[in-house]
Amino acid sequence: GQNIDQPTEMTATEGAIVQINCTYQTSGFNGLFWYQQHAGEAPTFLSYNVLDGLEEKGRFSSFLSRSKGYSYLLLKELQMKDSASYLCAVNNYGQNFVFGPGTRLSVLP
Amino acid sequence: GAGVSQSPSNKVTEKGKDVELRCDPISGHTALYWYRQRLGQGLEFLIYFQGNSAPDKSGLPSDRFSAERTGESVSTLTIQRTQQEDSAVYLCASSLALAGIPDTQYFGPGTRLTVL
Repeated sequence: GQNIDQPTEMTATEGAIVQINCTYQTSGFNGLFWYQQHAGEAPTFLSYNVLDGLEEKGRFSSFLSRSKGYSYLLLKELQMKDSASYLCAVNNYGQNFVFGPGTRLSVLP
Repeated sequence: GAGVSQSPSNKVTEKGKDVELRCDPISGHTALYWYRQRLGQGLEFLIYFQGNSAPDKSGLPSDRFSAERTGESVSTLTIQRTQQEDSAVYLCASSLALAGIPDTQYFGPGTRLTVL
């Protein structure tokens, strides 16, 4: 079966660093994607990993270990606007995507 | 267009009625997806269209749900005899779907369906 796990909720302080973990078990793997979704809005693409290692994009970085079925999204210098849900999605095969339940991040002043 | 558009943005209907939701993908995007998102939950895959290939309907929850796509443009998701558990936000996404390249999906704003 297909399974993606993420923590349900996380809280962090403005200016801090937060790591959101994602573990997956899927029948195939063509890449792992992270999306940001503000309340009441559509998800927007943040990053993807196909190979093991760290991908950095400004304040956001994403890490992948395919052998461990594990990824994390690292957010640095947190801002209030980073309060949102963060969705982990695995490209299972072809154009088939499996989304995790999402992690709701609250950034406090 | 500049992005994926969906209509209507909100739909309130009575149990048992049929509803039709529309999605206009980004021009040139060959792949189109429909997802359902219940309140506070993740995205649930419904159906996927890719060019002229047969759609992947593996996520449709029942035979009350169906979807069509005209070529590589507009898609409509139809829910017949709506039930209260159909209440959710229905999201459409499109992508370039180029072979060998990880596929970034661009989402529309969604249609919030409420079944009374």
